[in-house]
Amino acid sequence: NAGVTQTPKFRVLKTGQSMTLLCAQDMNHEYMYWYRQDPGMGLRLIHYSVGEGTTAKGEVPDGYNVSRLKKQNFLLGLESAAPSQTSVYFCASSSQGAQPQHFGDGTRLSIL
Amino acid sequence: EDQVTQSPEALRLQEGESSSLNCSYTVSGLRGLFWYRQDPGKGPEFLFTLYSAGEEKEKERLKATLTKKESFLHITAPKPEDSATYLCAVQAHYSGAGSYQLTFGKGTKLSVIP
Repeated sequence: NAGVTQTPKFRVLKTGQSMTLLCAQDMNHEYMYWYRQDPGMGLRLIHYSVGEGTTAKGEVPDGYNVSRLKKQNFLLGLESAAPSQTSVYFCASSSQGAQPQHFGDGTRLSIL
Repeated sequence: EDQVTQSPEALRLQEGESSSLNCSYTVSGLRGLFWYRQDPGKGPEFLFTLYSAGEEKEKERLKATLTKKESFLHITAPKPEDSATYLCAVQAHYSGAGSYQLTFGKGTKLSVIP
C-alpha cells in the first residue's frame, strides 16, 4: 500500500518555465490538498479538492493551478515559475474534510 | 486572524527525560486541533485530533491535552526514535472554503540524545 506518492521528488526550474507536480493516492480518499512549506513558516494551503472534478483555492493560490480529473490524482501546475515559488510542496489526502491525514514525502522545487 | 505559536523552537532531551511541547492558539471558535510529527525529508505524519477543552489522547509515549488557549504534547521517557519536528495546527469554525483552512505552527524540533 503506497499511500500518497508525489513525483518528481526534486526539480530545478528557470524563471518563466512551467511544470506540473503529480500526486497520486491509493486509499480512495475524497479530499486532497496541496501545501507548501517554507523555512521559518508553517505549512500553507495552496489548493484543495473535495472530490473528483472539484478544486478550490486555499490560502496562497496565486501562480498555481490544479486539476483533479481522476479521484486518485491531484495535479499542481506552475504556469510561469518565479523564484518566490521555491519551496517544498506536499500533497495530502483524507477521508474527512479539512484534516489532512496522509502526506506524501514532498517535492523539493528550486526556481533560479 | 488565526494564529498558532509553538514553543520551544527546539528542545534537546536525554533519553528517558520527560518533557512537554506547547502549542498556543488564537482562533475564532475552535473546530479542531491537530498534532503531526515530521521527520527530516519526509511529509508530516498525523498523530492526534483534539476537539474540546479537557480532551486527552495518548499514543505510546505521547499524550496530547487541550485547554481553551493551548495544547500540550507530553513526551514520557522519550527514546532517540522520538526525535522529529512536531507540528500543531488548528481549524476554526468557518463556513465554505474557510472550513478547509488549517493554520499550522512553525513546529518544535525535538532531539533525544541516547
